[in-house]
Amino acid sequence: DAKTTQPPSMDCAEGRAANLPCNHSTISGNEYVYWYRQIHSQGPQYIIHGLKNNETNEMASLIITEDRKSSTLILPHATLRDTAVYYCIVRGYSTLTFGKGTMLLVSP
Amino acid sequence: GAVVSQHPSWVICKSGTSVKIECRSLDFQATTMFWYRQFPKQSLMLMATSNEGSKATYEQGVEKDKFLINHASLTLSTLTVTSAHPEDSSFYICSARDRVSSGADTQYFGPGTRLTVL
Repeated sequence: DAKTTQPPSMDCAEGRAANLPCNHSTISGNEYVYWYRQIHSQGPQYIIHGLKNNETNEMASLIITEDRKSSTLILPHATLRDTAVYYCIVRGYSTLTFGKGTMLLVSP
Repeated sequence: GAVVSQHPSWVICKSGTSVKIECRSLDFQATTMFWYRQFPKQSLMLMATSNEGSKATYEQGVEKDKFLINHASLTLSTLTVTSAHPEDSSFYICSARDRVSSGADTQYFGPGTRLTVL
């Protein structure tokens, strides 16, 4: 599976949009981009996934560049409860491999 | 979304005893379940992949005789840590794969089990 690169940490003010970037320049054609988050001492929570089109659900939006080498997860109105480690994972048919993710801290 | 439960949520045991952790998919059938381990301030590490009705596939470095996995039904997988020692103390997390028609499949995770071995 392709590797991903994420910033180790980001800050966001409550109520603002949080934009979390992810680079996956070696992604191949059959690999999906998945986003999960892990709140402290809990299991990871599925957020969203996509192949090449932008996706939106009740939690977030996923913007994938046309060349698919990078993506951005958008939390439109961050709340304090969105403070967590966010993992961007690229996978085809194999298992999920977790990197270090981005620690998002949402502040009042 | 799909729900995965784990039991117990935490357990404290004495060194040398065995501990069983259950993982259940509550509203979907999971032909494949996964077991992860997470040490403090580290990311999740895959331990093994469990397919219903067959033997589990273990990742390199994970002792299959120490971490016994049983996936007897489409909604239940168990992990037994045999002869637990303090170095086995960790956060154990299971996940279940829900296959959807779009071609992608999504893994849903349980809340985790905190194991402390004294």
